[in-house]
Amino acid sequence: AQSVTQPDIHITVSEGASLELRCNYSYGATPYLFWYVQSPGQGLQLLLKYFSGDTLVQGIKGFEAEFKRSQSSFNLRKPSVHWSDAAEYFCAVGATEKLTFGTGTRLTIIP
Amino acid sequence: GAVVSQHPSRVICKSGTSVKIECRSLDFQATTMFWYRQFPKQSLMLMATSNEGSKATYEQGVEKDKFLINHASLTLSTLTVTSAHPEDSSFYICSAQTDPDRGGYTFGSGTRLTVV
Repeated sequence: AQSVTQPDIHITVSEGASLELRCNYSYGATPYLFWYVQSPGQGLQLLLKYFSGDTLVQGIKGFEAEFKRSQSSFNLRKPSVHWSDAAEYFCAVGATEKLTFGTGTRLTIIP
Repeated sequence: GAVVSQHPSRVICKSGTSVKIECRSLDFQATTMFWYRQFPKQSLMLMATSNEGSKATYEQGVEKDKFLINHASLTLSTLTVTSAHPEDSSFYICSAQTDPDRGGYTFGSGTRLTVV
């Protein structure tokens, strides 16, 4: 069965600092991997996804993620966070059908 | 890009009544849609997968008689919470598959259901 682990429940960073959110997955084949962001009371917005090709994926809002098959990881990074990045971030794994989500990481930005 | 419209965004209902949540694909045809439930400060749990013109596939532990899903057209899927109780209060989100071969999914903005 597929699963996703986001080890960090809550992360606090200063505005302008770099960010890395961790994601580890378990999947039987080559996975499709996703990062979504959710603001309070809102749906999910896709930041980026990996399904094949270059293992370093560029997304919206200056985010990137790197797929490391050997580590079963797909960590999300941003070189310099903005106050507007404060939200809940979800990593997800799937293929042609349903997605399985991690438990999420809540990101707080301090001035 | 592909847009999924979900309504209502918030609903309050009395215990014992039924509530219908709609999920529409606005500029594409959605053969497959997914319904998720999200508890406060928790992740999304898949409730069911609906395919146009056929019965929904429910995840283990989801009561199919309580959470009725209808996907009668390529642009509309509905979730009806029947005989709602306070424990059904939650955030419900729908998602449509836009590109099965490339992992394309679009999410609705969610519905906050409160049962009083």
